[in-house]
Amino acid sequence: AQSVTQLDSHVSVSEGTPVLLRCNYSSSYSPSLFWYVQHPNKGLQLLLKYTSAATLVKGINGFEAEFKKSETSFHLTKPSAHMSDAAEYFCVVRVYGGSQGNLIFGKGTKLSVKP
Amino acid sequence: DGGITQSPKYLFRKEGQNVTLSCEQNLNHDAMYWYRQDPGQGLRLIYYSQIVNDFQKGDIAEGYSVSREKKESFPLTVTSAQKNPTAFYLCASRPAINTDTQYFGPGTRLTVL
Repeated sequence: AQSVTQLDSHVSVSEGTPVLLRCNYSSSYSPSLFWYVQHPNKGLQLLLKYTSAATLVKGINGFEAEFKKSETSFHLTKPSAHMSDAAEYFCVVRVYGGSQGNLIFGKGTKLSVKP
Repeated sequence: DGGITQSPKYLFRKEGQNVTLSCEQNLNHDAMYWYRQDPGQGLRLIYYSQIVNDFQKGDIAEGYSVSREKKESFPLTVTSAQKNPTAFYLCASRPAINTDTQYFGPGTRLTVL
């Protein structure tokens, strides 16, 4: 079975400082992993996805994530936070097996950016 | 302008009433999904459909029903049997069985008065 755990429900940073949002996963298969972002009262937008091509994945808006198999982690980072990055972020793993193609979502990390 | 549309954006209903949420996509995607989002709980899968005229229950299907008569449409009915229907509902679609990225609509916020 697959699962994801987002280690922080809320992260607060100052504008211009680095962002780190942590995610651990569990998967019996070589996983497909995603990060999605959701601004208030909006739908989800794909930031980036990992599908075994390269361990460092670059996404939109300057975000990137590194797949570390030994640590079962897929943490999201950004060198310098911008006010517009304030949103909720979801780490997601694809299901293999019975519900092929379905996704399992973490509980989300709310990112606050202080001026 | 391609994409996924959900209507209405805000919906209010009285207890005991059924209500139907609309989801339409013009992306020619095969699969469609309904999720429920509650604060601090992430997204939970209600129903999904891989092809027209077929759909499957997700993790929290009780009190909900769906239909998939057309490829582009996947309406969700919240019935009076759903005990706690107030939530944010998100519809998503995926291009084909061998792809994995889902694309989301803007959501409908349902409030039961």
